[in-house]
Amino acid sequence: AQSVTQLDSHVSVSEGTPVLLRCNYSSSYSPSLFWYVQHPNKGLQLLLKYTSAATLVKGINGFEAEFKKSETSFHLTKPSAHMSDAAEYFCVVSDLGNTGKLIFGQGTTLQVKP
Amino acid sequence: DAEITQSPRHKITETGRQVTLACHQTWNHNNMFWYRQDLGHGLRLIHYSYGVHDTNKGEVSDGYSVSRSNTEDLPLTLESAASSQTSVYFCASRETVNTGELFFGEGSRLTVL
Repeated sequence: AQSVTQLDSHVSVSEGTPVLLRCNYSSSYSPSLFWYVQHPNKGLQLLLKYTSAATLVKGINGFEAEFKKSETSFHLTKPSAHMSDAAEYFCVVSDLGNTGKLIFGQGTTLQVKP
Repeated sequence: DAEITQSPRHKITETGRQVTLACHQTWNHNNMFWYRQDLGHGLRLIHYSYGVHDTNKGEVSDGYSVSRSNTEDLPLTLESAASSQTSVYFCASRETVNTGELFFGEGSRLTVL
């Protein structure tokens, strides 16, 4: 069985400070992991993905995430927040190559203060 | 450019009416999905399809149906709309079960009065 937990429902940072959005997963298979971003009144867009290659994954807009098997975590980070980063972020786990089922986390709202 | 479009983007209807939300993708993707998004629940899977004439129930399928007669379209039908189905609905597609990236439409906001 698979599951994903986003540890914070809401994160607030100041512009120019680091961003950390936390995600823990559980999977019976070697998982594939994704982060999606959703801006207000928009659909979701892929930020980055981990599919068993390098454990440090770089995505768009300066975001990156590190797959840590020992901690079953896939936290999303960015060194310096920008106002345009304010959005909803979703962590997703999947067993690609098996059922392909995707499990979404509950989402984390990122607020960026000027 | 390939894309995925949903229509209508906004709809208000009355309890008991039948409603159909359209989803059309031009990527020639095999897999298509319908999710609903509600505060406090994230995205919940309603129905999905892995190919023409294939449809499967997701975690919240009661009161909804889909059909897949071609690769491009997966319409979502609410047979008899209920107030509990007021939500934002997202359609998504991906190439195959082995590819992770989902491409999402911009959503359809449905209000059932």
